[in-house]
Amino acid sequence: DAMVIQNPRYQVTQFGKPVTLSCSQTLNHNVMYWYQQKSSQAPKLLFHYYDKDFNNEADTPDNFQSRRPNTSFCFLDIRSPGLGDAAMYLCATSRGGQGFNEQFFGPGTRLTVL
Amino acid sequence: AQSVTQLGSHVSVSEGALVLLRCNYSSSVPPYLFWYVQYPNQGLQLLLKYTTGATLVKGINGFEAEFKKSETSFHLTKPSAHMSDAAEYFCAAEYGNKLVFGAGTILRVKS
Repeated sequence: DAMVIQNPRYQVTQFGKPVTLSCSQTLNHNVMYWYQQKSSQAPKLLFHYYDKDFNNEADTPDNFQSRRPNTSFCFLDIRSPGLGDAAMYLCATSRGGQGFNEQFFGPGTRLTVL
Repeated sequence: AQSVTQLGSHVSVSEGALVLLRCNYSSSVPPYLFWYVQYPNQGLQLLLKYTTGATLVKGINGFEAEFKKSETSFHLTKPSAHMSDAAEYFCAAEYGNKLVFGAGTILRVKS
């Protein structure tokens, strides 16, 4: 089945220690998104890639970076995690282009910062 | 800015009772509309979506939603709640390849 995969499902890091979260997709979609979801809150879009074009949300902290080496993979790098970065991180994909574009979500990575 | 409002952060129903979760969007041009369900420590699962056409949309697990342009609403309903429906539900609207989410409604089902 075509799907969005996130690894690992649970990640523990130390305060200030860089961490990378991974997302891959078998849908061959053009657009990949990263969301941050804190406890009891709605998902918040951090940034997205449309093919190789990176689109950062205005209020995304510089501490968050992303890489998309190819169509299938996208990474979220947190350069110096703080306690406030503990959250669920969701990856999603969509076909892109005009008209209706459904987003398909991965299972998420739960990040704990000690 | 576009926004999605979900009335009621928590809704509690008895098993077998009607489920009604409310959602309103702010836009003069109706966006594409979605309802997602999220179980603890899991991603978002699409329940149903409205794009164009029929205003009553049927989704998975017996849920349905009705798009009402005059009320800018897209409320989610299920005739008979089941214990397995206990989860958090998010309404979302798509504006130009981006999703705007409501704050979410936690549904509790009492036995």
